[in-house]
Amino acid sequence: AQSVSQHNHHVILSEAASLELGCNYSYGGTVNLFWYVQYPGQHLQLLLKYFSGDPLVKGIKGFEAEFIKSKFSFNLRKPSVQWSDTAEYFCAVNDWRDDKIIFGKGTRLHILP
Amino acid sequence: GAGVSQTPSNKVTEKGKYVELRCDPISGHTALYWYRQSLGQGPEFLIYFQGTGAADDSGLPNDRFFAVRPEGSVSTLKIQRTERGDSAMYLCASTPGAGNGHNEQFFGPGTRLTVL
Repeated sequence: AQSVSQHNHHVILSEAASLELGCNYSYGGTVNLFWYVQYPGQHLQLLLKYFSGDPLVKGIKGFEAEFIKSKFSFNLRKPSVQWSDTAEYFCAVNDWRDDKIIFGKGTRLHILP
Repeated sequence: GAGVSQTPSNKVTEKGKYVELRCDPISGHTALYWYRQSLGQGPEFLIYFQGTGAADDSGLPNDRFFAVRPEGSVSTLKIQRTERGDSAMYLCASTPGAGNGHNEQFFGPGTRLTVL
């Protein structure tokens, strides 16, 4: 069965700091990978996704993630965070043919102004 | 256009009661998903519909949970004989189609269910 592990449950950074949130998944087949974000008081929304091709994918608001197949990882990065990045971030995976998404437990990111 | 809507936004009920949670997907979206999110956890898949039929209900925890989508649009998640452990945020999402795993899922605001 698929599973997703997010290493950090709660991260606190100052503005302009660099961010990296870890994500590892467990699945033997071909996968699609996602990062979803939930800003305070808002719906869960897609930040970025990887299906195939270039393993470095860029999303909205300056976020990017790198798929490293050999490490079963899909870490999220941003070079310089802003206060408005305060949110909960979820890594997710599905089988490439399947619409059922498996989410990690999430990482709460708090940016100090 | 309008996003996914869910009603009610909050539902408080007593143990043993029956509840219905409603999801109205984005117009034209044929696939609809239900997830449950407990405190401190990520969303957990329950069931998804392609049109009127349940394409995958493997996430429903037991036979107290049931979902329908009779006309291929609005869906209702039904929980019988509620238990305190059913307390969670119930999320609905929709996509334009299904079957290739690529579609972005658009989420609603959720219904927070509290079972006393």
